[in-house]
Amino acid sequence: DADVTQTPRNRITKTGKRIMLECSQTKGHDRMYWYRQDPGLGLQLIYYSFDVKDINKGEISDGYSVSRQAQAKFSLSLESAIPNQTALYFCATSGGHYENTGELFFGEGSRLTVL
Amino acid sequence: QKEVEQNSGPLSVPEGAIASLNCTYSDRVSQSFFWYRQYSGKSPELIMSIYSNGDKEDGRFTAQLNKASQYVSLLIRDSQPSDSATYLCAVDQGAQKLVFGQGTRLTINP
Repeated sequence: DADVTQTPRNRITKTGKRIMLECSQTKGHDRMYWYRQDPGLGLQLIYYSFDVKDINKGEISDGYSVSRQAQAKFSLSLESAIPNQTALYFCATSGGHYENTGELFFGEGSRLTVL
Repeated sequence: QKEVEQNSGPLSVPEGAIASLNCTYSDRVSQSFFWYRQYSGKSPELIMSIYSNGDKEDGRFTAQLNKASQYVSLLIRDSQPSDSATYLCAVDQGAQKLVFGQGTRLTINP
């Protein structure tokens, strides 16, 4: 089983619908991230969380919200999806205070299409 | 201006040659720098990290950092077709908040 699991892997929805992407991890890491990837734009940071009570906005948080339900779970919500939120979304984790390698461990991605 | 800039390519290199990938960043206080490789349809994976000025070698890969010029590069020696991928430069802006460049698509031609 993957250490970082994202659900759903693929989703097609309509404009205005509420969508939740879920991420769970078995690595025991404190830090979790949501990134968005569009062709030619690399990875853009949406939100990140260093523990259950610490959530921070990234580069492109408008139109998104997150919930850190537990150390192992970090969900991304689109309250009212719009077509330009069509993208590949990645969840990632990294180690805690004593592991400052900067290595992110990524899930397999969730491809979202908003019609 | 993006905080981390890369030439998006595509960069085409013959098999066996040296592939050179470049990245510039705007935040002078950044201390940690990373190269990730992403195969088509897959998630990114870390291949190199560098924290000090100079070169860091790991097998066929060499990362180079020049903080005065705000420049990071990745050299791949003896390029193989399996090196064909998108390479993402990432900069730690503090407390492991990684900002990525747009990626350079590299193709190694047999």
